[in-house]
Amino acid sequence: GIQVEQSPPDLILQEGANSTLRCNFSDSVNNLQWFHQNPWGQLINLFYIPSGTKQNGRLSATTVATERYSLLYISSSQTTDSGVYFCAALLMEYGNKLVFGAGTILRVKS
Amino acid sequence: KAGVTQTPRYLIKTRGQQVTLSCSPISGHRSVSWYQQTPGQGLQFLFEYFSETQRNKGNFPGRFSGRQFSNSRSEMNVSTLELGDSALYLCASSLGGVRSNQPQHFGDGTRLSIL
Repeated sequence: GIQVEQSPPDLILQEGANSTLRCNFSDSVNNLQWFHQNPWGQLINLFYIPSGTKQNGRLSATTVATERYSLLYISSSQTTDSGVYFCAALLMEYGNKLVFGAGTILRVKS
Repeated sequence: KAGVTQTPRYLIKTRGQQVTLSCSPISGHRSVSWYQQTPGQGLQFLFEYFSETQRNKGNFPGRFSGRQFSNSRSEMNVSTLELGDSALYLCASSLGGVRSNQPQHFGDGTRLSIL
C-alpha cells in the first residue's frame, strides 16, 4: 500500500483564502518534514515536525503521530505560495529511508 | 551559512554516456542523501552517505553509484545513461543523517536531460 499519502492532489485558491493539506503515513515516524517546491524546482524546508504543532508566519503544521497523519495549514494565501507541497516521512518498515508523498499542487490566483 | 550547493545546475548528455554530479553539504553536516525526481515516479531515495560510508541505498540499478569525501562533499555517478535517467537530481544534507531527529536541507538540484 501507499506509504505516504497526500491530499488533495491539486488545489486552486483565490488569494487570501486559507487551506489545509493532509499527509497520512503508514508507520510510526520519528522524522516528518514538510517541503515547498517552487516553480524553479527548489525544495524549501518548511517544517520538521515528527509530533506536535509548529507555526511560522502564515504557515503552521500539526502532526498526530499516534494517528499517523500530519496537516499543513496555509492562511491568507498569496500567489507566491504556489508550487508543490511535499511531506516526507522516515518509515522504519522501509529501511529507514525518507519516503516522499506524491505532493499537493497548489495554485493561488490573484 | 552557505546552503547545500549542487553542480552543475543543468546537464545534457546522450544515451550511453556517463555523468558525475557534485554536492557540497552545509558546513558541519556529515550526511548527504541523493534523490531522483521524475514526473512519473516522484521523489525517490537513491542513497545516503555519512562520514564517507554508504549508510543506506534505494532501489536503483548498479549504474547509479556515489561516494563521499573526507570534507563531506559527495558525488553521484550514473553510467551507461538511459533516456529514463532524465530527471532532477537533488541532494540533501543534515547533521546526523536521515535516521537522526534532524531536518534534511536540500540543494537546488541538477537537471539532467538525456537525448
